[in-house]
Amino acid sequence: SQQGEEDPQALSIQEGENATMNCSYKTSINNLQWYRQNSGRGLVHLILIRSNEREKHSGRLRVTLDTSKKSSSLLITASRAADTASYFCATDPRLIQGAQKLVFGQGTRLTINP
Amino acid sequence: KAGVTQTPRYLIKTRGQQVTLSCSPISGHRSVSWYQQTPGQGLQFLFEYFSETQRNKGNFPGRFSGRQFSNSRSEMNVSTLELGDSALYLCASSFTDYGYTFGSGTRLTVV
Repeated sequence: SQQGEEDPQALSIQEGENATMNCSYKTSINNLQWYRQNSGRGLVHLILIRSNEREKHSGRLRVTLDTSKKSSSLLITASRAADTASYFCATDPRLIQGAQKLVFGQGTRLTINP
Repeated sequence: KAGVTQTPRYLIKTRGQQVTLSCSPISGHRSVSWYQQTPGQGLQFLFEYFSETQRNKGNFPGRFSGRQFSNSRSEMNVSTLELGDSALYLCASSFTDYGYTFGSGTRLTVV
């Protein structure tokens, strides 16, 4: 089952506006990551925020993490048509023996209108 | 630096057949994990391999199996295919916990 819940499921905005997507999760995590997917292709890693970090920036992306509320948000500023894609949050839960897995949310479908 | 390579890109199989998908990770990455993506269930973790050992397995039936070779390349196998196995299968490799690099995926259609 999916650990993450994303909100909204779909978002449509005008080019140049900011887009905000939210993610909630259920268990303790090592880190939280955001990925982009264009039209059923592979996932592109956007940004990783560790459990001891509260905010991180990368270009036009800003991610926040609130571990007390088990939630994160992704802000894309000055959106462009090329930002049209599905965005997924993924949590890296605390597993024993270093085993790695990602637990994905259902994703937000972002459409940027020219 | 070459990315994660998955082959084949597309595959059509008949119910009851078996299929093998291949993934070549980024050079130096020892962890390879597999995910299944369907419209109904979203992205679900299948398994993760590190240095030829399966470290973690998702909640999938035994028909789904995998392995990793000494050069870190990985294969996953699905036996006795069912219609519900139609999906995009994604492979990802990672070096440490700095994020994953995904391949373009193999789209499997079972008819």
